[in-house]
Amino acid sequence: KQEVTQIPAALSVPEGENLVLNCSFTDSAIYNLQWFRQDPGKGLTSLLLIQSSQREQTSGRLNASLDKSSGRSTLYIAASQPGDSATYLCAVGRQAGTALIFGKGTTLSVSS
Amino acid sequence: GAVVSQHPSWVICKSGTSVKIECRSLDFQATTMFWYRQFPKQSLMLMATSNEGSKATYEQGVEKDKFLINHASLTLSTLTVTSAHPEDSSFYICSARDPSGQGNQPQHFGDGTRLSIL
Repeated sequence: KQEVTQIPAALSVPEGENLVLNCSFTDSAIYNLQWFRQDPGKGLTSLLLIQSSQREQTSGRLNASLDKSSGRSTLYIAASQPGDSATYLCAVGRQAGTALIFGKGTTLSVSS
Repeated sequence: GAVVSQHPSWVICKSGTSVKIECRSLDFQATTMFWYRQFPKQSLMLMATSNEGSKATYEQGVEKDKFLINHASLTLSTLTVTSAHPEDSSFYICSARDPSGQGNQPQHFGDGTRLSIL
């Protein structure tokens, strides 16, 4: 059974810092991995999607990497801003078009 | 881009009431939609897979008679929580993937429904 773990559960940093969020999964046979942002009481915003054949994806200040063989992914946020404060969720897809398996998330707080 | 609309966003009702939540794909046809539930400070857990024109597939431990799913069209899936009780209070969220896109299309999520049963 696939399990997704995110470390740390919470993180507080001052504005401007670069930071890394970690995600690990137990079964390396994945189709893709997706990072989401969730604001309190809100739905999910897709940030980055990495196919199993890819190593990384970048969007603005965000960079996500994938090491499928070791079952790990990282989300790198450069020059953090208070607006980045949210919960970041990592999710893996087992096959194309199937439901995602989520980690519990990392709650990020960026202070000004 | 693809958008998934979920309605209502917030429901408060008395115990014993049935509540219907709608999930619509606004600019694409979704043969499959997914329903998740999220308890406070917990991960999203898949409840069921909604298939257009056929019965939904429920995850282990999810009561199909309590959580009725109907996927009558390619753009609409509904989740009805029947005879809701306080323990059903949670955040319910749906997702869908645009099958017309390439294989790397991400899943799109609705904004979720906060259900509070008194």
